Amino acid sequence: SQQGEEDPQALSIQEGENATMNCSYKTSINNLQWYRQNSGRGLVHLILIRSNEREKHSGRLRVTLDTSKKSSSLLITASRAADTASYFCATKRAMDSNYQLIWGAGTKLIIKP
Amino acid sequence: DAGITQSPRHKVTETGTPVTLRCHQTENHRYMYWYRQDPGHGLRLIHYSYGVKDTDKGEVSDGYSVSRSKTEDFLLTLESATSSQTSVYFCAISDPGQPSSGNTIYFGEGSWLTVV
Repeated sequence: SQQGEEDPQALSIQEGENATMNCSYKTSINNLQWYRQNSGRGLVHLILIRSNEREKHSGRLRVTLDTSKKSSSLLITASRAADTASYFCATKRAMDSNYQLIWGAGTKLIIKP
Repeated sequence: DAGITQSPRHKVTETGTPVTLRCHQTENHRYMYWYRQDPGHGLRLIHYSYGVKDTDKGEVSDGYSVSRSKTEDFLLTLESATSSQTSVYFCAISDPGQPSSGNTIYFGEGSWLTVV
Protein backbone atom coordinates (compact mmCIF):
# COMPACT_ATOMS: atom_id res chain seq x y z
CA SER A 1 0.00 0.00 0.00
CA GLN A 2 1.17 3.52 -0.71
CA GLN A 3 1.93 5.51 2.40
CA GLY A 4 3.22 8.62 0.71
CA GLU A 5 0.74 10.51 -1.41
CA GLU A 6 1.90 13.51 -3.37
CA ASP A 7 -0.30 16.45 -4.09
CA PRO A 8 -0.93 17.77 -6.65
CA GLN A 9 -0.54 15.01 -9.22
CA ALA A 10 0.50 17.59 -11.79
CA LEU A 11 1.62 21.20 -11.61
CA SER A 12 2.36 23.63 -14.42
CA ILE A 13 3.91 27.02 -13.67
CA GLN A 14 5.84 29.78 -15.39
CA GLU A 15 9.61 29.86 -15.23
CA GLY A 16 10.73 31.98 -12.31
CA GLU A 17 7.74 31.16 -10.13
CA ASN A 18 7.94 29.01 -7.03
CA ALA A 19 6.65 25.44 -7.08
CA THR A 20 5.25 23.71 -4.03
CA MET A 21 4.32 20.07 -3.80
CA ASN A 22 3.12 18.11 -0.81
CA CYS A 23 3.44 14.61 0.56
CA SER A 24 1.18 13.07 3.17
CA TYR A 25 1.74 9.85 5.04
CA LYS A 26 -0.16 7.69 7.50
CA THR A 27 2.16 6.19 10.13
CA SER A 28 5.12 7.36 12.14
CA ILE A 29 8.31 7.78 10.17
CA ASN A 30 12.03 7.93 10.83
CA ASN A 31 12.71 10.10 7.83
CA LEU A 32 11.25 11.31 4.56
CA GLN A 33 13.08 11.79 1.30
CA TRP A 34 12.37 13.62 -1.92
CA TYR A 35 13.56 12.38 -5.30
CA ARG A 36 13.44 13.83 -8.80
CA GLN A 37 12.96 11.87 -12.00
CA ASN A 38 13.58 13.42 -15.37
CA SER A 39 11.73 11.89 -18.28
CA GLY A 40 13.23 8.57 -19.29
CA ARG A 41 15.78 8.58 -16.47
CA GLY A 42 16.27 7.06 -13.05
CA LEU A 43 15.35 8.77 -9.81
CA VAL A 44 17.82 11.10 -8.19
CA HIS A 45 17.93 11.81 -4.47
CA LEU A 46 17.29 15.45 -3.56
CA ILE A 47 17.01 15.74 0.19
CA LEU A 48 16.34 13.74 3.34
CA ILE A 49 14.63 15.15 6.41
CA ARG A 50 14.56 13.27 9.69
CA SER A 51 11.56 13.04 11.96
CA ASN A 52 13.14 15.37 14.52
CA GLU A 53 13.79 18.06 11.90
CA ARG A 54 11.27 20.64 10.75
CA GLU A 55 12.99 22.27 7.82
CA LYS A 56 15.96 21.68 5.53
CA HIS A 57 17.43 23.62 2.68
CA SER A 58 19.52 22.62 -0.29
CA GLY A 59 20.17 25.33 -2.85
CA ARG A 60 16.78 26.36 -4.25
CA LEU A 61 15.02 23.52 -2.44
CA ARG A 62 13.26 23.88 0.86
CA VAL A 63 11.67 20.92 2.58
CA THR A 64 9.44 21.09 5.61
CA LEU A 65 8.12 18.31 7.77
CA ASP A 66 5.11 18.51 10.05
CA THR A 67 4.89 15.27 12.00
CA SER A 68 1.69 16.35 13.75
CA LYS A 69 -0.03 16.61 10.37
CA LYS A 70 1.96 13.74 8.87
CA SER A 71 2.92 15.82 5.89
CA SER A 72 5.89 17.30 4.11
CA SER A 73 6.27 19.93 1.47
CA LEU A 74 8.92 20.54 -1.16
CA LEU A 75 9.37 24.10 -2.33
CA ILE A 76 11.43 24.90 -5.41
CA THR A 77 12.14 28.60 -5.62
CA ALA A 78 12.79 30.57 -8.80
CA SER A 79 11.93 27.61 -11.00
CA ARG A 80 13.84 26.87 -14.19
CA ALA A 81 12.98 24.85 -17.27
CA ALA A 82 15.45 22.22 -16.07
CA ASP A 83 13.25 21.63 -13.00
CA THR A 84 10.66 20.01 -15.26
CA ALA A 85 10.45 16.49 -13.87
CA SER A 86 8.43 14.20 -11.63
CA TYR A 87 9.02 14.48 -7.91
CA PHE A 88 8.51 11.61 -5.50
CA CYS A 89 8.46 11.38 -1.75
CA ALA A 90 9.60 8.25 0.04
CA THR A 91 9.04 7.53 3.71
CA LYS A 92 11.01 5.30 6.06
CA ARG A 93 8.44 4.10 8.55
CA ALA A 94 9.55 3.55 12.12
CA MET A 95 8.15 0.01 12.05
CA ASP A 96 10.01 -1.12 8.94
CA SER A 97 13.41 -2.62 8.29
CA ASN A 98 16.22 -0.51 6.92
CA TYR A 99 15.60 -1.45 3.32
CA GLN A 100 11.96 -0.49 3.16
CA LEU A 101 10.88 2.82 1.72
CA ILE A 102 7.27 3.60 0.88
CA TRP A 103 6.92 5.57 -2.35
CA GLY A 104 4.27 7.97 -3.47
CA ALA A 105 2.96 8.13 -7.03
CA GLY A 106 4.68 11.44 -7.71
CA THR A 107 3.96 15.01 -8.76
CA LYS A 108 4.64 15.89 -12.38
CA LEU A 109 6.04 19.41 -12.57
CA ILE A 110 6.14 21.34 -15.84
CA ILE A 111 7.96 24.64 -16.03
CA LYS A 112 6.79 26.80 -18.92
CA PRO A 113 9.37 29.11 -20.50
CA ASP B 1 26.14 9.66 -10.65
CA ALA B 2 26.23 6.42 -8.69
CA GLY B 3 28.02 3.66 -10.57
CA ILE B 4 25.03 1.55 -11.53
CA THR B 5 24.71 -0.04 -14.94
CA GLN B 6 21.60 -1.81 -16.13
CA SER B 7 21.43 -4.04 -19.17
CA PRO B 8 19.72 -4.28 -21.50
CA ARG B 9 18.27 -0.79 -21.48
CA HIS B 10 15.52 -1.72 -23.89
CA LYS B 11 14.08 -5.10 -24.77
CA VAL B 12 11.08 -6.45 -26.63
CA THR B 13 10.27 -10.06 -25.95
CA GLU B 14 7.47 -12.51 -26.63
CA THR B 15 5.04 -13.85 -24.07
CA GLY B 16 6.31 -17.02 -22.45
CA THR B 17 10.01 -16.40 -23.02
CA PRO B 18 12.50 -16.04 -20.17
CA VAL B 19 14.14 -12.67 -19.68
CA THR B 20 17.06 -11.66 -17.49
CA LEU B 21 17.88 -8.10 -16.56
CA ARG B 22 21.30 -7.33 -15.16
CA CYS B 23 22.43 -4.74 -12.68
CA HIS B 24 26.07 -3.99 -11.96
CA GLN B 25 27.30 -1.57 -9.30
CA THR B 26 30.76 -0.21 -8.59
CA GLU B 27 29.91 1.37 -5.21
CA ASN B 28 30.28 -1.75 -3.05
CA HIS B 29 26.88 -1.05 -1.48
CA ARG B 30 25.41 -3.85 0.53
CA TYR B 31 21.77 -3.52 -0.50
CA MET B 32 20.49 -3.90 -4.03
CA TYR B 33 16.91 -3.62 -5.23
CA TRP B 34 14.74 -4.23 -8.24
CA TYR B 35 11.76 -1.95 -8.66
CA ARG B 36 9.19 -1.67 -11.38
CA GLN B 37 7.52 1.60 -12.30
CA ASP B 38 4.12 1.76 -13.91
CA PRO B 39 1.79 4.71 -14.49
CA GLY B 40 -0.50 5.23 -11.52
CA HIS B 41 1.46 2.87 -9.28
CA GLY B 42 4.66 4.68 -8.59
CA LEU B 43 7.61 2.50 -7.64
CA ARG B 44 6.97 -1.02 -6.44
CA LEU B 45 9.63 -3.25 -4.95
CA ILE B 46 10.03 -6.63 -6.63
CA HIS B 47 12.98 -8.17 -4.77
CA TYR B 48 15.90 -6.93 -2.78
CA SER B 49 19.23 -8.29 -1.62
CA TYR B 50 21.07 -7.53 1.61
CA GLY B 51 24.22 -9.43 0.75
CA VAL B 52 25.72 -12.06 -1.51
CA LYS B 53 23.24 -14.91 -1.84
CA ASP B 54 20.88 -13.10 0.58
CA THR B 55 17.67 -12.06 -1.12
CA ASP B 56 14.06 -11.53 -0.17
CA LYS B 57 10.74 -10.73 -1.75
CA GLY B 58 9.20 -7.33 -2.13
CA GLU B 59 5.56 -6.44 -2.63
CA VAL B 60 5.24 -7.62 -6.26
CA SER B 61 7.54 -10.64 -6.48
CA ASP B 62 5.24 -13.14 -8.21
CA GLY B 63 6.66 -14.18 -11.59
CA TYR B 64 10.14 -12.88 -10.77
CA SER B 65 13.27 -14.41 -9.32
CA VAL B 66 16.63 -12.89 -8.46
CA SER B 67 20.18 -13.95 -7.82
CA ARG B 68 23.20 -12.26 -6.34
CA SER B 69 26.41 -14.24 -6.66
CA LYS B 70 28.73 -11.24 -6.25
CA THR B 71 28.43 -7.99 -4.33
CA GLU B 72 28.38 -5.99 -7.53
CA ASP B 73 25.83 -7.98 -9.56
CA PHE B 74 22.10 -8.47 -9.08
CA LEU B 75 20.07 -10.31 -11.70
CA LEU B 76 16.31 -10.19 -12.17
CA THR B 77 14.72 -13.05 -14.11
CA LEU B 78 11.26 -13.28 -15.53
CA GLU B 79 10.86 -17.02 -15.90
CA SER B 80 8.03 -16.78 -18.42
CA ALA B 81 7.27 -13.23 -19.42
CA THR B 82 3.67 -12.02 -19.51
CA SER B 83 2.17 -8.84 -20.91
CA SER B 84 1.51 -7.61 -17.37
CA GLN B 85 5.27 -7.50 -16.87
CA THR B 86 5.65 -4.83 -19.51
CA SER B 87 7.17 -2.06 -17.44
CA VAL B 88 10.22 0.00 -16.67
CA TYR B 89 12.56 -1.79 -14.29
CA PHE B 90 14.95 0.07 -12.05
CA CYS B 91 17.87 -1.32 -10.17
CA ALA B 92 18.86 0.57 -7.05
CA ILE B 93 21.46 0.38 -4.32
CA SER B 94 21.89 1.62 -0.78
CA ASP B 95 24.21 1.23 2.13
CA PRO B 96 22.19 1.38 5.38
CA GLY B 97 25.34 1.12 7.45
CA GLN B 98 26.40 4.65 6.50
CA PRO B 99 25.11 7.02 9.17
CA SER B 100 24.99 10.08 6.92
CA SER B 101 23.28 8.64 3.89
CA GLY B 102 22.19 5.17 4.91
CA ASN B 103 18.61 5.50 3.76
CA THR B 104 19.44 7.17 0.47
CA ILE B 105 18.76 5.02 -2.55
CA TYR B 106 20.69 5.43 -5.78
CA PHE B 107 19.01 4.38 -8.99
CA GLY B 108 20.15 3.05 -12.31
CA GLU B 109 18.85 4.49 -15.55
CA GLY B 110 16.17 1.86 -16.05
CA SER B 111 15.40 -1.02 -18.38
CA TRP B 112 12.36 -0.70 -20.63
CA LEU B 113 10.78 -4.11 -21.15
CA THR B 114 7.94 -4.75 -23.55
CA VAL B 115 6.28 -8.17 -23.61
CA VAL B 116 4.25 -8.78 -26.78
